[in-house]
Amino acid sequence: GENVGLHLPTLSVQEGDNSIINCAYSNSASDYFIWYKQESGKGPQFIIDIRSNMDKRQGQRVTVLLNKTVKHLSLQIAATQPGDSAVYFCAETPYGGSQGNLIFGKGTKLSVKP
Amino acid sequence: ETGVTQSPTHLIKTRGQQVTLRCSSQSGHNTVSWYQQALGQGPQFIFQYYREEENGRGNFPPRFSGLQFPNYSSELNVNALELDDSALYLCASSLPGTVNTEAFFGQGTRLTVV
Repeated sequence: GENVGLHLPTLSVQEGDNSIINCAYSNSASDYFIWYKQESGKGPQFIIDIRSNMDKRQGQRVTVLLNKTVKHLSLQIAATQPGDSAVYFCAETPYGGSQGNLIFGKGTKLSVKP
Repeated sequence: ETGVTQSPTHLIKTRGQQVTLRCSSQSGHNTVSWYQQALGQGPQFIFQYYREEENGRGNFPPRFSGLQFPNYSSELNVNALELDDSALYLCASSLPGTVNTEAFFGQGTRLTVV
């Protein structure tokens, strides 16, 4: 079936650098996308979301970009900090959010070197 | 903290046994979803409950069942446990509808089947 996947399973960056985490999705019916951060021993934590009628959304130190043409989603983290070290998941809702079930990718582990 | 609480945090069961996991949703959230997260994988949708009824189900066998109570708390029951059921089980609460389906996750219950 269609699902969400990630290009890079691991990413190591230097503290202070910018991080970019990528995600590919294949379900053309998806219209709502979310990035989650999951620290060890914890549940996923909402970072930022974007609807398919947008191509960019910014939060505090984070930006999500959506390219519907190539079905690609990315999360940019500015000035990466050690506290950003975690596994990041993109997720999509294939039914316009009406059922609320999220389809998650496999995740990218971000390691920040001090 | 998301306000979603799960119990127990850890659990060890023997193959063939039955288990019940519990979740208290965030205040005001009447929709609860359950996810299974195997080690090194993204969460997989099990099912969702809205107003005490199942409202969407993922690709899980009938031995995975659930309940939602009038106070919106929820239970996940798994019968005839198998070794592959070992995983982190996550509960997420949200508001229904298509405008905002941001899901708030609990910290999860780590189930080990031996």
